[in-house]
Amino acid sequence: DTGVSQNPRHKITKRGQNVTFRCDPISEHNRLYWYRQTLGQGPEFLTYFQNEAQLEKSRLLSDRFSAERPKGSFSTLEIQRTEQGDSAMYLCASTPVSSYNSPLHFGNGTRLTVT
Amino acid sequence: AQRVTQPEKLLSVFKGAPVELKCNYSYSGSPELFWYVQYSRQRLQLLLRHISRESIKGFTADLNKGETSFHLKKPFAQEEDSAMYYCALSPSDTGRRALTFGSGTRLQVQP
Repeated sequence: DTGVSQNPRHKITKRGQNVTFRCDPISEHNRLYWYRQTLGQGPEFLTYFQNEAQLEKSRLLSDRFSAERPKGSFSTLEIQRTEQGDSAMYLCASTPVSSYNSPLHFGNGTRLTVT
Repeated sequence: AQRVTQPEKLLSVFKGAPVELKCNYSYSGSPELFWYVQYSRQRLQLLLRHISRESIKGFTADLNKGETSFHLKKPFAQEEDSAMYYCALSPSDTGRRALTFGSGTRLQVQP
């Protein structure tokens, strides 16, 4: 499968712990997006990168959240001091910026449960 | 700011019946509208987009700027159409391509 890959698939952590998720986009996709999806809702935009530059952050992304894409390839999303409200599915998507009509390609997501 | 509204959480129809999944949006600029679909145990994927004016798996959607709607339609539903459908908007005039999604409608097609 050469699609967007996310690890881990599931993460259970205790409140107050830090967690880190990884996203490997489709090769040569310049843009990478992070979304969060809670039960009964559609995905909500968190942040996106063009190559290694983080171009936009949603106000949903509190200071406990940080995302990186150091070499313009894979990306990590870290949540510090997790809270129960952080429990959600975290989705990554990528697209080539060179093709305006190209859709977002989503990964399977990382499901986070904070106990 | 943009908003996408899908008023129905669940739509249940019988096989062969027509389907219309509603989507309304609010955005002051020039939007690009999409429908994404998520089948059971699969990832979210693009179904169709308004600029392509295409029919995918028998589904069509017309952008109505006057009513700010982008309803998804299919004349004869099939059981394999059962899935979660999300309407999404991209502010194409800003170039950022980040999508704003609706809350989704679950389509159940009964035999």
